[in-house]
Amino acid sequence: DGGITQSPKYLFRKEGQNVTLSCEQNLNHDAMYWYRQDPGQGLRLIYYSQIVNDFQKGDIAEGYSVSREKKESFPLTVTSAQKNPTAFYLCASGQGLVDEQYFGPGTRLTVT
Amino acid sequence: RKEVEQDPGPFNVPEGATVAFNCTYSNSASQSFFWYRQDCRKEPKLLMSVYSSGNEDGRFTAQLNRASQYISLLIRDSKLSDSATYLCVVDPSGSARQLTFGSGTQLTVLP
Repeated sequence: DGGITQSPKYLFRKEGQNVTLSCEQNLNHDAMYWYRQDPGQGLRLIYYSQIVNDFQKGDIAEGYSVSREKKESFPLTVTSAQKNPTAFYLCASGQGLVDEQYFGPGTRLTVT
Repeated sequence: RKEVEQDPGPFNVPEGATVAFNCTYSNSASQSFFWYRQDCRKEPKLLMSVYSSGNEDGRFTAQLNRASQYISLLIRDSKLSDSATYLCVVDPSGSARQLTFGSGTQLTVLP
């Protein structure tokens, strides 16, 4: 059945290490998004991609990088340059211009 | 002023009660509006889109007031399973490129 998968569900890393979060969708959606959520706060957009091989920075892109080599996949790398990487990371996809976004189950990243 | 503002709550209501949440947005050019539901430590799930004419889905009614720049969500006959955080979401550009999320309103329905 169709959906968005994110792995792993929980991830622990030491400070100074880069880490890549996986996001895959089989909904045939063109657009994909990465958000982070901190306790008591709304979701904030990190990066988004409207089409393969193209992506745009969101509001808080510093310290993150992405790629979109395939329509189904939109991995996010949290680099050591990200000052406060510990957060709940959510990937979403949508069918482009005006449709709603649908979320994966998220990855909880803890960096110590 | 935040782009999307919600009362964080918590709202604690007895089962069977009617509860309403409001959300205000700052960008008068905003085009699309949504309510999402988020259970504790889970991903947000789309509850309903909000149309200019208002819309209803079972016990849930959403309304948009463009003049006052707010949207509302009404839940009738609350169930225990309605306990969650409700996120107000606005697409300021109409492109779904940059949805803006409110911080959420926490609802607990008590037996």
